[in-house]
Amino acid sequence: GESVGLHLPTLSVQEGDNSIINCAYSNSASDYFIWYKQESGKGPQFIIDIRSNMDKRQGQRVTVLLNKTVKHLSLQIAATQPGDSAVYFCAEINAGGTSYGKLTFGQGTILTVHP
Amino acid sequence: ETGVTQTPRHLVMGMTNKKSLKCEQHLGHNAMYWYKQSAKKPLELMFVYNFKEQTENNSVPSRFSPECPNSSHLFLHLHTLQPEDSALYLCASSQETAGYGYTFGSGTRLTVV
Repeated sequence: GESVGLHLPTLSVQEGDNSIINCAYSNSASDYFIWYKQESGKGPQFIIDIRSNMDKRQGQRVTVLLNKTVKHLSLQIAATQPGDSAVYFCAEINAGGTSYGKLTFGQGTILTVHP
Repeated sequence: ETGVTQTPRHLVMGMTNKKSLKCEQHLGHNAMYWYKQSAKKPLELMFVYNFKEQTENNSVPSRFSPECPNSSHLFLHLHTLQPEDSALYLCASSQETAGYGYTFGSGTRLTVV
């Protein structure tokens, strides 16, 4: 079946370093991807999204890269801060077929930023 | 606050109890969702409502009963739950089920004893 998965379950970095979190997806029909951050005791918080007609999108300190050839998504966080410590999820939406509107989540990556 | 408010934040209930979770969104969205988040598992979609009509029931046991009286409010009625139903229950909303603007609430941490 369709799935979205993460390569690394945990990532530890030093404050100020850049972080890269990776995600692989299997459904080539997916046309919209979202990265979420979830802090302890909170719901997932939207970080950045990208549509399948783009390969890169930048936000404030974050960049999402989409490689449709190998079905790979990454989230880059520049100058990582202790407040960035959280679980990061990628998610995909398939806008067509029986999966219309169903947001499929990956397992999540735990990012720990050391001062 | 994300614009999606869930109450209560924490709930402890016995297996014979009946309780309800509430979700309210002030974003003008037309679609609302219930998700279950268990430890070490991806988020699991439970129910989807679009314009108050249920469009998805992801094989959820009947001890979970959703209710959507209008596009801004969503309830999850719980009865005769099992300990394995203990989890974080998340509500989300979006501008139609295309998913754009998908926003989550902070969740209700449910413990079944």
